[in-house]
Amino acid sequence: DIQMTQSPSSLSASVGDRVTITCRASQSISNFLNWYQQKPGKAPKLLIYTASSLQSGVPSRFSGSGSGTDFTLTISSLQPEDFATYYCQQSYSTLYSFGQGTKLEIK
Amino acid sequence: QITLKESGPTLVKPTQTLTLTCTFSGFSLTTSGVGVGWIRQPPGKALEWLAVIYWDDDKRYSPSLKSRLTITKDTSKNQVVLTMTNMDPVDTATYYCVHRERSQVATTQNWFDPWGQGTLVTVSS
Repeated sequence: DIQMTQSPSSLSASVGDRVTITCRASQSISNFLNWYQQKPGKAPKLLIYTASSLQSGVPSRFSGSGSGTDFTLTISSLQPEDFATYYCQQSYSTLYSFGQGTKLEIK
Repeated sequence: QITLKESGPTLVKPTQTLTLTCTFSGFSLTTSGVGVGWIRQPPGKALEWLAVIYWDDDKRYSPSLKSRLTITKDTSKNQVVLTMTNMDPVDTATYYCVHRERSQVATTQNWFDPWGQGTLVTVSS
């Protein structure tokens, strides 16, 4: 099984800040890495697929990078609506797996 | 527009079998490359992938839950059914149905989009 580890588990930041969330895979997964955003009481929403491709309709302040085992999700300038929990997910193996999540809170 | 909706019991007793149905629209599970999966989330905890079924009836299960899960499809009804046996209070969670999208360019690339709204299942006597 491929284990996905996110860091940090939680993060406090202010509107306008630049924020980076990291996701590490237990083995190389090339660029088979997706990011989701989940707001309280809502289903997750796809933000980025194949490590760096922005899903249609997602603001350009979101970006993803990485390959192999190490990946990052960056929000260039935090907006109030970005405070949520973020999950990475690997699709290299058809035994899919998610990271444990990073909760982004308002400072 | 693709939509998915989960249905099933909101409360089950320990040791019972849970049956959840995902009813979808906007795509066909007979189309090459298409998949439908299930993901759950215990209250306040992380997402956990459970199972996926593909257009060709190939199926994959979470290794930790494989012995308890069965996923099937009814293409005539646009439905996917997940059964989970021997339910326990730790299985209390919101269960999501998801559409597995596949890249048109690099067909091995795939992701979950969109998701159903989820259904909360509580396991309690």
